Amino acid sequence: EAQVTQNPRYLITVTGKKLTVTCSQNMNHEYMSWYRQDPGLGLRQIYYSMNVEVTDKGDVPEGYKVSRKEKRNFPLILESPSPNQTSLYFCASSDREDQPQHFGDGTRLSIL
Amino acid sequence: KNEVEQSPQNLTAQEGEFITINCSYSVGISALHWLQQHPGGGIVSLFMLSSGKKKHGRLIATINIQEKHSSLHITASHPRDSAVYICAVGTGNQFYFGTGTSLTVIP
Repeated sequence: EAQVTQNPRYLITVTGKKLTVTCSQNMNHEYMSWYRQDPGLGLRQIYYSMNVEVTDKGDVPEGYKVSRKEKRNFPLILESPSPNQTSLYFCASSDREDQPQHFGDGTRLSIL
Repeated sequence: KNEVEQSPQNLTAQEGEFITINCSYSVGISALHWLQQHPGGGIVSLFMLSSGKKKHGRLIATINIQEKHSSLHITASHPRDSAVYICAVGTGNQFYFGTGTSLTVIP
């Protein structure tokens, strides 16, 4: 089954404790992207990747890092999380950047 | 800065009604996407448009590139259509999203 898998689905943690949200897709997609969704602001793009070792900033990259060492995986790293990063996060992938995206189920992060 | 504006924010309809959700954007785009987000949070892609009109079942999406405007229509609405509908535009590599339209269809 074609899918984008995010882990964890839920996480409560404390300020400053490094965390990684994993994202994996099984569709051999080239384009992958991370978004955060906040009430009243909608979805906003954090980082995207056009292919292996090719990543770039989206609209709200501050406080986040990503890597794309393999085509299927695109982890989101919060080196020193802060409460303003409490949000619902989605990973998505597509064949190319101009194709419909497949979304993961979301990760709800709470940073205390 | 709001590259994508949607209206209305909230919409309640009776089962069977014809529904229209509007999206306006201010940037040059490669494509416009309509997404559906169910109460459980999952997001699915409904349409991708770069011109004209697309139809899938009871859903119709149109785009007017010159006016930078798109509409999503739902014919014969049903309670299972209750969801948040999100307009997104792709500008090459990046995406910008509207804040969504929350639709409730009452039986």
